[in-house]
Amino acid sequence: QLQLQESGPGLVKPSETLSLTCTVSGGSISSSSYYWGWIRQPPGKGLEWIGSIYYSGSTYYNPSLKSRVTISVDTSKNQFSLKLSSVTAADTAVYYCARHWDDYGPRGWFDPWGQGTLVTVSS
Amino acid sequence: SYELTQPLSVSVALGQTARITCGGNNIGSKNVHWYQQKPGQAPVLVIYRDSNRPSGIPERFSGSNSGNTATLTISRAQAGDEADYYCQVWDSSNVVFGGGTKLTVL
Repeated sequence: QLQLQESGPGLVKPSETLSLTCTVSGGSISSSSYYWGWIRQPPGKGLEWIGSIYYSGSTYYNPSLKSRVTISVDTSKNQFSLKLSSVTAADTAVYYCARHWDDYGPRGWFDPWGQGTLVTVSS
Repeated sequence: SYELTQPLSVSVALGQTARITCGGNNIGSKNVHWYQQKPGQAPVLVIYRDSNRPSGIPERFSGSNSGNTATLTISRAQAGDEADYYCQVWDSSNVVFGGGTKLTVL
């Protein structure tokens, strides 16, 4: 059974870079059938897609975050990572990683999801 | 940018049928996916490609999509169905989520 686990600092200072890693277990991140995505959820609010990556390194980003986001993949470690630069309090959220099903491109659904990790932006 | 509109809340009596809508311009031409999120938990996929149920999701959950509205239907609602529900589509190289609907089972 595929499992995903987010890891990284729970507290980031304003203007710094948020860095998270998602470790995939129970399956290969190099499968041609999937992308791998990051989604966030501010406290008490809805879901926001950040971006997704294919094992080859091809990326798709939310246009509203694109200038600050970098998603990368390390197939040797079965991990993919998120970097979000110049963070503010508005970036405080639970960050989820998830398998993003390939449906003629990254048109598919997210399943399963990691448990999520809360990242707070504060000095 | 493409927008998905969901009602903030829907209430249903125990054992009755709940319908949660997701509105979008010509959404019927897109594949819609639905997620259930209970408090403090990660979202769980309940419907993909408009009307398909993943393994382990009860048959009580069904979906449809036509015109400008997609609908998630929960039959014989149970107390355990109380949760937030989100729709999701892909549009113009962007993943879009609806704002979410809180389902209350009375």
